[in-house]
Amino acid sequence: GQNIDQPTEMTATEGAIVQINCTYQTSGFNGLFWYQQHAGEAPTFLSYNVLDGLEEKGRFSSFLSRSKGYSYLLLKELQMKDSASYLCAVNTGGFKTIFGAGTRLFVKA
Amino acid sequence: DVKVTQSSRYLVKRTGEKVFLECVQDMDHENMFWYRQDPGLGLRLIYFSYDVKMKEKGDIPEGYSVSREKKERFSLILESASTNQTSMYLCASSPTDRSANTGELFFGEGSRLTVL
Repeated sequence: GQNIDQPTEMTATEGAIVQINCTYQTSGFNGLFWYQQHAGEAPTFLSYNVLDGLEEKGRFSSFLSRSKGYSYLLLKELQMKDSASYLCAVNTGGFKTIFGAGTRLFVKA
Repeated sequence: DVKVTQSSRYLVKRTGEKVFLECVQDMDHENMFWYRQDPGLGLRLIYFSYDVKMKEKGDIPEGYSVSREKKERFSLILESASTNQTSMYLCASSPTDRSANTGELFFGEGSRLTVL
């Protein structure tokens, strides 16, 4: 079967760094996405990895290891507005993208 | 600003009623999707469409149908709503041509459906 696993909840302190892990087992792989979703809002695109390595975009970085079926999202200099759910998703080929259950991040002062 | 618009943010329906959820995108995307989002389960794909009048089943199509008569509009239909279809429904679109972007999904705000 196809499976994407990520922690259910994480808590971190304002100004700190947090790493959200994602492991996946899918029948195909055509890129891994991270989305951010604030409560009651639409998911919005954060990052995309299709090759192994680190992609950096401001305070957010995403890493991929295809051989390990592993990715992480790194958030630096945490701000209160980063409190949200973070969704790991894999495009398995063609038009199909499957999602993990999401990690709810709480940022405390 | 690019936009995916879902017709209703909140709906309350009774068991057995027919329910229409409408989605419109203004980005000229070829691909459109309907997901449902439930706590602990994440987003699950119900149906998708890669062209007008074309549709493909996703992972959980039972109890649902879709319609795509125009490129910008994708409708989700619950022929006879049941309580286990109480959920958040998210519409999304993406372009086929990935030369200019990653092929990420653009989501609407969601429609929260409660079936009593």
